[in-house]
Amino acid sequence: AQSVTQLGSHVSVSEGALVLLRCNYSSSVPPYLFWYVQYPNQGLQLLLKYTTGATLVKGINGFEAEFKKSETSFHLTKPSAHMSDAAEYFCAVSLLFGNEKLTFGTGTRLTIIP
Amino acid sequence: DGGITQSPKYLFRKEGQNVTLSCEQNLNHDAMYWYRQDPGQGLRLIYYSQIVNDFQKGDIAEGYSVSREKKESFPLTVTSAQKNPTAFYLCDTTPLGGVSNQPQHFGDGTRLSIL
Repeated sequence: AQSVTQLGSHVSVSEGALVLLRCNYSSSVPPYLFWYVQYPNQGLQLLLKYTTGATLVKGINGFEAEFKKSETSFHLTKPSAHMSDAAEYFCAVSLLFGNEKLTFGTGTRLTIIP
Repeated sequence: DGGITQSPKYLFRKEGQNVTLSCEQNLNHDAMYWYRQDPGQGLRLIYYSQIVNDFQKGDIAEGYSVSREKKESFPLTVTSAQKNPTAFYLCDTTPLGGVSNQPQHFGDGTRLSIL
């Protein structure tokens, strides 16, 4: 079975500073990995995903994440935070082969300090 | 415009009442999923269906029921047996062949509260 751990339920960064949201996973088979963003009272929007191939994945809104198999990590970064980045972020894992259901981390709420 | 429609956006349940949450999609996706979201717990899988007339329990199926009579629709019933139904419910779809082909699509959710 797979699982996801997001370190830090709340993260605050200053506007213009680096955003780093941490995600570690466990999976018995090669995983698919995802980052989603959620704004209040809305569904989830896909930021980026890793399936196979290049380990550095670029997503929307200037976010990117790097799959590091040796560290079982998939941390999300953005070089310069913007006020509009304030939201909740979820890391998720799915099996490479199988029924594609997602296992989510508990989420990280990102606050941007003006 | 293709997408997932969840309705209603807000729903209130009385004691002992069953309520049904709607999820409709026009993406022609084969698989559909229901997740429950509680503060600090992320999303947990309730039920999923990969094909019409077939569905499987997820991690927290007790107190819920589903049906999949049409490819486009996957309604979730929160029964009176679910003692703590207050949560945000999200519906999700994927095509066969899964997430490598297309991004997962989530609906905008239904917030269920107890009266």
